[in-house]
Amino acid sequence: GAVVSQHPSWVICKSGTSVKIECRSLDFQATTMFWYRQFPKQSLMLMATSNEGSKATYEQGVEKDKFLINHASLTLSTLTVTSAHPEDSSFYICSACGTGDSGEQYFGPGTRLTVT
Amino acid sequence: QKEVEQDPGPLSVPEGAIVSLNCTYSNSAFQYFMWYRQYSRKGPELLMYTYSSGNKEDGRFTAQVDKSSKYISLFIRDSQPSDSATYLCAMSGGYGQNFVFGPGTRLSVLP
Repeated sequence: GAVVSQHPSWVICKSGTSVKIECRSLDFQATTMFWYRQFPKQSLMLMATSNEGSKATYEQGVEKDKFLINHASLTLSTLTVTSAHPEDSSFYICSACGTGDSGEQYFGPGTRLTVT
Repeated sequence: QKEVEQDPGPLSVPEGAIVSLNCTYSNSAFQYFMWYRQYSRKGPELLMYTYSSGNKEDGRFTAQVDKSSKYISLFIRDSQPSDSATYLCAMSGGYGQNFVFGPGTRLSVLP
């Protein structure tokens, strides 16, 4: 199956700093990528839809200026958490749409962010 | 009413049992249905996907979709301890559209 990677897998940062998370589709091109957030023992919550070459579409309640998404190429999308605070500590997961008509999503392994 | 409903469990079964996982949904526009398996602290892994109504089998896994009832199921035969994970159903209206996830069912298969 298609492979999606994320980097870093785990990051600890101090409150007030910014953190960038990369999501790459390794063996296919993805015009659409999604960013999710997952709290412990809860399901994934969609944060935004990222389309290559255009601005991301954010879900209601997600701060655009805090969670900056850039989808610069067909294989790379980045999520930058700006001025991170402890409440931003979470598991961030990206997914990329396959090229098949079914539109199945392939998930990255996730990035655990801890803000101290 | 939530768009996708799923019993969160936890569900505990003995090794070798047949497991039935289910989701119901309310949006009749959903066309694509997926099941993901997620181990603790890992990203979800795609297990099965089906389009529209019908059955699909892959090894020990069988996915069923009943669009008339807005009900999907995942069956796991001969369950193994390694199947212990959270199972998420997800569905969307089409390519490029975001998926709506169920809350996930935590499954424990006891040796």
